[in-house]
Amino acid sequence: DAGVIQSPRHEVTEMGQEVTLRCKPISGHDYLFWYRQTMMRGLELLIYFNNNVPIDDSGMPEDRFSAKMPNASFSTLKIQPSEPRDSAVYFCASSSGVGNYGYTFGSGTRLTVV
Amino acid sequence: GENVEQHPSTLSVQEGDSAVIKCTYSDSASNYFPWYKQELGKGPQLIIDIRSNVGEKKDQRIAVTLNKTAKHFSLHITETQPEDSAVYFCAASKGSARQLTFGSGTQLTVLP
Repeated sequence: DAGVIQSPRHEVTEMGQEVTLRCKPISGHDYLFWYRQTMMRGLELLIYFNNNVPIDDSGMPEDRFSAKMPNASFSTLKIQPSEPRDSAVYFCASSSGVGNYGYTFGSGTRLTVV
Repeated sequence: GENVEQHPSTLSVQEGDSAVIKCTYSDSASNYFPWYKQELGKGPQLIIDIRSNVGEKKDQRIAVTLNKTAKHFSLHITETQPEDSAVYFCAASKGSARQLTFGSGTQLTVLP
C-alpha cells in the first residue's frame, strides 16, 4: 500500500485566495482525520470522518475552513479566504475501525499564506 | 476534554545511553496511549502503543510503561543511536472516541 497520500506537498498562496488540500487514505481504513501542526499549538485535530461522515468538527478554527469526504478514497480541506495565520503543516491521517487504533499519517502539506 | 502534557521538550543523550520521555493525561477514561516519531519533513509515525489493561510493552529497544492510577505513561529508548534523533509525541484517546490528543512533543538528539 502506498500509505496516506496528500497533495500538494507545498502550497504558497496570497492572503484572500482559496486553498484546497487533498488526501487519499489507506484503502480499507474507515476513519480519516485532519490535523494542523504549528510550533505554537502543536498537533491540533481539526475534523474527523467515519465512513465518510463528519463526526467531530469542533476543532475547525472558523467558518473559513471546510472539509468534505465525498467517498472512501478522497477528502479535501478547503480554506476560503486564506489568511497568514493559517500558515502551518496540515496532516491527513487514517485508521481502521477494527482493532488497532493507530493512525497512519500522510507526509503533510506545508501551507504558506503571504 | 483530554489534556496531555509531555516532558521534557528537548532531550540530548550520548549514543548508547537511554532516553526517557514522560507524559501525563487528565481524562481517567482514556485507555489507548500511542507514541509517534516525527522526522524532519515527514508525518508522525507510530512506533509503539499501549492499552490501559497492560502496564508495560516492549519492542526491541523501545518500551512504554503506563501507570493508570497516576495517569502517566513513559517512553524508554535504550542503546540510543543517531537515527533515533527526531521529535517524539505521546497521545491519548478513549475507547470509542477515535480522535487522539497529542502532547507537545520532545526533540530528542542523540550525540555521536
